[in-house]
Amino acid sequence: AQSVAQPEDQVNVAEGNPLTVKCTYSVSGNPYLFWYVQYPNRGLQFLLKYITGDNLVKGSYGFEAEFNKSQTSFHLKKPSALVSDSALYFCAVREFRLLNKFYFGSGTKLNVKP
Amino acid sequence: NAGVTQTPKFRVLKTGQSMTLLCAQDMNHEYMYWYRQDPGMGLRLIHYSVGEGTTAKGEVPDGYNVSRLKKQNFLLGLESAAPSQTSVYFCASSPVHGGSDSYEQYFGPGTRLTVT
Repeated sequence: AQSVAQPEDQVNVAEGNPLTVKCTYSVSGNPYLFWYVQYPNRGLQFLLKYITGDNLVKGSYGFEAEFNKSQTSFHLKKPSALVSDSALYFCAVREFRLLNKFYFGSGTKLNVKP
Repeated sequence: NAGVTQTPKFRVLKTGQSMTLLCAQDMNHEYMYWYRQDPGMGLRLIHYSVGEGTTAKGEVPDGYNVSRLKKQNFLLGLESAAPSQTSVYFCASSPVHGGSDSYEQYFGPGTRLTVT
């Protein structure tokens, strides 16, 4: 069965420090992987995606993510966190054979402290 | 280009009342989805559609019905609202695989529904 796991409900980091938000997935076939961000009382905004090619993908607001096929992971990273990065982050996978469905993780709340 | 819009933004219903949530997209996407978001549970798929005139059940379809009479619109109906349906509802759309470089979903701003 297809699934996405975000093992941390919350991640706390100081401003200026690097941040990592973890995501692992389970899917049959090649995965299409995504990260979304949700600010309070807003919809989800697309950050970045991995479809094929380089394992390190870059996205909006200085975020990047590394696809690791052997570990079935797609961790979100940023070299230097900003207070404005504080939000809820969702990892998602789009299954290759049934491309009309997306599977989302439960979300990780990122808190960046000044 | 408005993207994905949802109406209404907020609604309070009494148990047993009915209502329809409207989702509209102007990106000519084939696929549309309805999710609900509850604290600590992430997004759960209610129903989805792979094209005009088609609908399919998602993870939590009970108590909801949907219709996709026009490609740009996807309606979510609650025939007899229950307190367990208190949630934030999000609509999303996405293009067909291979149809463009864009594989991701585009989300609406959400509808906050309270059933008392």
